[in-house]
Amino acid sequence: NAGVTQTPKFQVLKTGQSMTLQCAQDMNHNSMYWYRQDPGMGLRLIYYSASEGTTDKGEVPNGYNVSRLNKREFSLRLESAAPSQTSVYFCASTKRGPGDTQYFGPGTRLTVL
Amino acid sequence: AQSVTQLDSHVSVSEGTPVLLRCNYSSSYSPSLFWYVQHPNKGLQLLLKYTSAATLVKGINGFEAEFKKSETSFHLTKPSAHMSDAAEYFCVVSGPRAGTASKLTFGTGTRLQVTL
Repeated sequence: NAGVTQTPKFQVLKTGQSMTLQCAQDMNHNSMYWYRQDPGMGLRLIYYSASEGTTDKGEVPNGYNVSRLNKREFSLRLESAAPSQTSVYFCASTKRGPGDTQYFGPGTRLTVL
Repeated sequence: AQSVTQLDSHVSVSEGTPVLLRCNYSSSYSPSLFWYVQHPNKGLQLLLKYTSAATLVKGINGFEAEFKKSETSFHLTKPSAHMSDAAEYFCVVSGPRAGTASKLTFGTGTRLQVTL
């Protein structure tokens, strides 16, 4: 099992450009999540998908959209990138619910100039 | 609502000495609590978790944590630090059920430095 995979690993954008971050898991997990990590702030939840076909906002959803393409894949889209979105983005997944371990991908380091 | 406070942003210990990383939490429910570790430029790895079973939880690499409800604490300890323990550590609390999802709240992290 590869676990949780993310592409790309690194990306540089100019302000106003768009891009999609891809995430896939091969553990047959129901729930998937997108976080951003900024220095001194821990990880903050952007969006999550409790199950295939559903998505919900997290703590910091502004400027982002998500798609739960199928049970395996959960993508994060930046429609018009801003310098404030410079961050490291992590995707995670869990099998069921509270108390279950979240498994994290290796991250995508995004810089917006 | 839930929150997590990691009381030290940076801890430095000598190799072979004990490690103590402090975490206090606040939750309106019976929480699930986790410690994750992040090595430089890597993803997050689960060290251990508490889910209302035994209050003393043992994790990987010799780490353990004790859930103390009266003190709302979940401190992480290790008897003897190793150079490979140098990393960022996050205390995390799981929120109420949202369908099958578990919404985590992360502390701001403690950077552990291990010196010779």
